[in-house]
Amino acid sequence: AQSVTQLDSQVPVFEEAPVELRCNYSSSVSVYLFWYVQYPNQGLQLLLKYLSGSTLVKGINGFEAEFNKSQTSFHLRKPSVHISDTAEYFCAVSLTGGGNKLTFGTGTQLKVEL
Amino acid sequence: KAGVTQTPRYLIKTRGQQVTLSCSPISGHRSVSWYQQTPGQGLQFLFEYFSETQRNKGNFPGRFSGRQFSNSRSEMNVSTLELGDSALYLCASSAEDRNSYEQYFGPGTRLTVT
Repeated sequence: AQSVTQLDSQVPVFEEAPVELRCNYSSSVSVYLFWYVQYPNQGLQLLLKYLSGSTLVKGINGFEAEFNKSQTSFHLRKPSVHISDTAEYFCAVSLTGGGNKLTFGTGTQLKVEL
Repeated sequence: KAGVTQTPRYLIKTRGQQVTLSCSPISGHRSVSWYQQTPGQGLQFLFEYFSETQRNKGNFPGRFSGRQFSNSRSEMNVSTLELGDSALYLCASSAEDRNSYEQYFGPGTRLTVT
């Protein structure tokens, strides 16, 4: 079975500072990796995904993530955050060829302060 | 294209009752997945339907069931409601594009069991 660990439950950061949200996964087979964002009282929105190829993937709103197979990590980064980035961020995996079943981490609440 | 819609958005039920939630996927999407989100357990996969067939199933008791219609609309049913079933239920649809694997989430139905 696969699992996802997001070590930081909350990350406070000042506006215009860089941020990294950490994600580690465990799986005995190949997986696809995703980052989703959830704003209050809303559903989830896909930020970016890694399926194959280049290990550095770029997503919406200036976010990027790097897939590291040896460390089984998929950390999310943004060089300069904005107040509007305040939200909860979820890392997720799905098995290759396993349909659309997503296994989520517990989420990281990003709070951007002035 | 219209996004994923879920009805109702809010629901209050009494313990022991049953409830049916509805999800209309994005036009052309044939895969519909359901997730339960609670503060304690986070985001958990319930089941996935594709072309009216259940393709994946999570670890939930048999009180949780679903179905998909020929127009890809999906319903999930929870019988004999328990207090612990209070949650945000999210529906997601996918186009089954093997280069994408993107799931689009609806705003959710917030179920409160009293």
